[in-house]
Amino acid sequence: RKEVEQDPGPFNVPEGATVAFNCTYSNSASQSFFWYRQDCRKEPKLLMSVYSSGNEDGRFTAQLNRASQYISLLIRDSKLSDSATYLCVVNIWAGGFKTIFGAGTRLFVKA
Amino acid sequence: GAGVSQSPSNKVTEKGKDVELRCDPISGHTALYWYRQSLGQGLEFLIYFQGNSAPDKSGLPSDRFSAERTGGSVSTLTIQRTQQEDSAVYLCASSHYGEANYGYTFGSGTRLTVV
Repeated sequence: RKEVEQDPGPFNVPEGATVAFNCTYSNSASQSFFWYRQDCRKEPKLLMSVYSSGNEDGRFTAQLNRASQYISLLIRDSKLSDSATYLCVVNIWAGGFKTIFGAGTRLFVKA
Repeated sequence: GAGVSQSPSNKVTEKGKDVELRCDPISGHTALYWYRQSLGQGLEFLIYFQGNSAPDKSGLPSDRFSAERTGGSVSTLTIQRTQQEDSAVYLCASSHYGEANYGYTFGSGTRLTVV
């Protein structure tokens, strides 16, 4: 079983739609959580950190459920520019931080 | 500099030659990571440096791969006797150690093509 698992997609949605991505992690020593965005042929960029209390940044909402060991990202009112791959990232403390990247979920937003 | 700088941005090399890829992290970032990404694939961890600690080399795919980090700053990834399967984008990232909640900043990568 992979340490961080994501649905690879692709998710194909129309503009204006709401789309949700889930990510599960297997290591209970996981300490911090992030969503990154990667555009085609570009480097990953930090989208947002994920906190247990849930956090929102404009149209994006991230949630963490430690009991069930999953993380979610909700995108409301999708824009064409949201088309990208969304990477779930988990930091595990194992005598030092170890970072695990999920393989990513591809999103295509269509007009 | 303001971000993570990698050079060269593109490298085409002949099979069997050695290549060196450079990463200049954000000033003050003590943690530095190398990943590679083949076309359409996820990120593959290669090596991690943290301060003066011994690097975590657990992701290096073979002994043809090595990396060093001089003075806790610039890092060089060396691939000896390159093979076609080494073709990928090599990404470097840096972060503040112990501030894992801030995530990483990636460089724009070196696209390596072995012909």
